[in-house]
Amino acid sequence: AQSVAQPEDQVNVAEGNPLTVKCTYSVSGNPYLFWYVQYPNRGLQFLLKYITGDNLVKGSYGFEAEFNKSQTSFHLKKPSALVSDSALYFCAVNTGGFKTIFGAGTRLFVKA
Amino acid sequence: EAGVAQSPRYKIIEKRQSVAFWCNPISGHATLYWYQQILGQGPKLLIQFQNNGVVDDSQLPKDRFSAERLKGVDSTLKIQPAKLEDSAVYLCASSPTGAMGADTQYFGPGTRLTVL
Repeated sequence: AQSVAQPEDQVNVAEGNPLTVKCTYSVSGNPYLFWYVQYPNRGLQFLLKYITGDNLVKGSYGFEAEFNKSQTSFHLKKPSALVSDSALYFCAVNTGGFKTIFGAGTRLFVKA
Repeated sequence: EAGVAQSPRYKIIEKRQSVAFWCNPISGHATLYWYQQILGQGPKLLIQFQNNGVVDDSQLPKDRFSAERLKGVDSTLKIQPAKLEDSAVYLCASSPTGAMGADTQYFGPGTRLTVL
């Protein structure tokens, strides 16, 4: 069975510092990996995805993520955090079947 | 392009009552998803439609939940009767093709259900 883990409930970072939100996965087969962001009282918004090809994926709002097959990870990164990046971030995985599995989410708090 | 529309945004009911949620996906999107998001958890897929056919409803509590997608466009999710543990945000999403899992999903704002 496929699964995805976000080991940190919350990440705190100062504005201007780099941020990392961690995601690891367990699947049989090649994964499709996604990051979504959720702001209060809103649905999820797509940030980026890895399907195939270059392991470094660039997405919206300056975010990027690196697919690491040996470590089964897909960590979300940004070189310089903004207060407006404060939100709930979800990692998700699909193996080419129908069901996408979401992690429990990581709350990012960026302090001014 | 208009996004995914959902209504109502909020609903409060008592246990054993029934409730229905409506979703209008992005025009032309073949795949429609209903997720349940309990506070502190990630979204859990309840049912997935490809056009007007069901492709996955393995996590839908079929004794109380039902869903349909009319003419492959709008969709309604119903709970009858509701239980306290159904309190959650119900998210609708759509994607262009379904593309065997590689599609980006576009989410609506959700319906927050409180069961008293």
